[in-house]
Order: sequence, then C-alpha cells, then structure tokens
Amino acid sequence: DAGVIQSPRHEVTEMGQEVTLRCKPISGHNSLFWYRQTMMRGLELLIYFNNNVPIDDSGMPEDRFSAKMPNASFSTLKIQPSEPRDSAVYFCASSLMGNNSPLHFGNGTRLTVT
Amino acid sequence: TQLLEQSPQFLSIQEGENLTVYCNSSSVFSSLQWYRQEPGEGPVLLVTVVTGGEVKKLKRLTFQFGDARKDSSLHITAAQPGDTGLYLCTSGTYKYIFGTGTRLKVLA
Repeated sequence: DAGVIQSPRHEVTEMGQEVTLRCKPISGHNSLFWYRQTMMRGLELLIYFNNNVPIDDSGMPEDRFSAKMPNASFSTLKIQPSEPRDSAVYFCASSLMGNNSPLHFGNGTRLTVT
Repeated sequence: TQLLEQSPQFLSIQEGENLTVYCNSSSVFSSLQWYRQEPGEGPVLLVTVVTGGEVKKLKRLTFQFGDARKDSSLHITAAQPGDTGLYLCTSGTYKYIFGTGTRLKVLA
C-alpha cells in the first residue's frame, strides 16, 4: 500500500515568493495533519482536518499560512509570502479518526527560504 | 493545551548499553504513543499505551505508562546503532501534540 505522499521533497525559494506544499493521504483515512519541524521548536502541529473539514488551525503561525483539503485524497499548505524563518521540514500525516489511531507520516518537504 | 516534556534532550551512548528516556506532563492522558524518527523520514509509531501502569515490550524496547497516566518511559536494553533516532511521545487522542523529543545516538 502506498503511504502518505508529499511533494516536493525539497523546495528552495526566495523570500516573498509563494510556496505550495502538497499531500496525498492514505486512502480511507479521514483525518489529516500538517506539522512543521525545526531543531529549535521540534514538531509543531499547524492544522488538522477531519473528513476534509479544518477542525483546529490554532497552530498556523500567521495569516501568511493557509491550508485546504478540497477532497479526501488531497491537501495543500500554502505560504504567501514566504520568509526565511519559514525554513523547516513540513510533514503531512493521516489517520483514521478515533482515539489511539496511529499517525502515518509522509517523508516531509524540506523548505528553504533565502 | 497538554504539554509533553521529554528528557533527556540528547543522549549519546555506546552499543550494548542500556538507557531510559522519559515523557512527562502535568495533565492526565487517556493514552500515549511513542514514535521513532530516522533522518530524512517521518516519525513511525512504535507503541500505544492506554492503561495506567501498563507495560509493553517490543523486542529490546520496554514502554511503561505511569499509574496516574501523566508520564511514560521507554527503556532500551543493549542498544544498537539501529536504535539511533529521534524518539517522540504524543497523546493518542484527537490533536496529537508531540513532545520535545529525545535525540539518541548509539555508537558502534
């Protein structure tokens, strides 16, 4: 079975540019999570969806960040405009909604903003 | 917000040594999960503990959930280089906030 698929694996962009990260969750999973990981702040939850609906976006750092899930098999995280402090590894994870369900992570997108 | 603190932050040991890492919170959890993350990859689930006092074993790894369900430990016996990675704990419920992590390096 294919796992969670993220693209691109690496993204290098200049400050001020728009960045779009993509995620395809595991088929049948109804919860999707976006995380950001840095050495300083660890693995931070940005937003999560249940059945394509955003449930909690309190972790989204500011209005420059937005996330969408137009259908059960696709989600995007957009940063506009990007800033150097947004440089991090961004992970998408999916699960079956319910207590104790395991999170299945993609391999992440390493974003570098210069 | 439930906060999870993990200790130690970093640990470097020789192959064959034993070690214990901890996950602590001031809040009570209905369940707790441990993940391991290797470089360039996403975290992978190791175990879920749900009952206070519960002990689970996964080969050389032993996981314990505190009686009060506020803390958990992970003990590795005879560590091997393949155990190297970042160990993360999280509540296994709806929001999956992760702890600060313990970065383990096992030297051959």
